[in-house]
Amino acid sequence: GENVEQHPSTLSVQEGDSAVIKCTYSDSASNYFPWYKQELGKRPQLIIDIRSNVGEKKDQRIAVTLNKTAKHFSLHITETQPEDSAVYFCAASILPRGSNDYKLSFGAGTTVTVRA
Amino acid sequence: NAGVTQTPKFQVLKTGQSMTLQCAQDMNHEYMSWYRQDPGMGLRLIHYSVGAGITDQGEVPNGYNVSRSTTEDFPLRLLSAAPSQTSVYFCASSYSPGYLTGNTIYFGEGSWLTVV
Repeated sequence: GENVEQHPSTLSVQEGDSAVIKCTYSDSASNYFPWYKQELGKRPQLIIDIRSNVGEKKDQRIAVTLNKTAKHFSLHITETQPEDSAVYFCAASILPRGSNDYKLSFGAGTTVTVRA
Repeated sequence: NAGVTQTPKFQVLKTGQSMTLQCAQDMNHEYMSWYRQDPGMGLRLIHYSVGAGITDQGEVPNGYNVSRSTTEDFPLRLLSAAPSQTSVYFCASSYSPGYLTGNTIYFGEGSWLTVV
C-alpha cells in the first residue's frame, strides 16, 4: 500500500515568517494529495488539495507544490500568524476513474508553533 | 445540517469488553470511513464503505467490525477491547470520491477511547 512520510515532525516559526512542510509518497500511481489542519482537541479539516495534473496550487497564504518525478509534495504557509499553530497532515491517494473505491494514507503529522 | 456526528465522545472500557462507536451523517454522502489517531502515527484507516451494503478493510482492521445498512450510519464495533485499541477514533465521510469530483472528507469530532 501507499506509504507517506512527513517532515519535520515539529516546526517552530516566528510570526510573519514562512513555514514549509514536506511529504514523500511511495506509490507513483497516487494522484490526489490533500492537506489537513487539526487544532488541539478538534477534528482534522481540509485546507488545500492538489491533483497530479497540476504542479502548484495556491489559496491566499497557503500553497502546495507537487513533484511527481520525485514523488514529493510540500505545503507552504507564508506570513504565518498565531492561528496557524496546529498539527498539519499530508495525505495521498489513488483516486480511481469511474469508481469511488479509494483509501487515503496520511503522514504522521507536523506540529507547527507560531511564536508571537 | 449536523454534518458527521459521532457518539460517544469519551469512553472507558475494560479489557475484553465490546462496544460500538456510532457515526451518522446527514449529507447524503456515499463514502464513509473510520480512522484511528495515535501520537506520532497520523491517521490510520480502519474500515471504509463506498455505499450502503458495501464495506472494506483499511490499513488496521483487526479487532474491529463495521456494517453499512443505511447511507446515513456507519457504526464501528470493537469485538473484545484491548489496551492497544486506546486511541482517538474519527469517523469521516465524503460525497463521492472520484478523480474528477470533489473529495473533501468531513470528519466527525472524534471519540476518545481508553481501554484499561
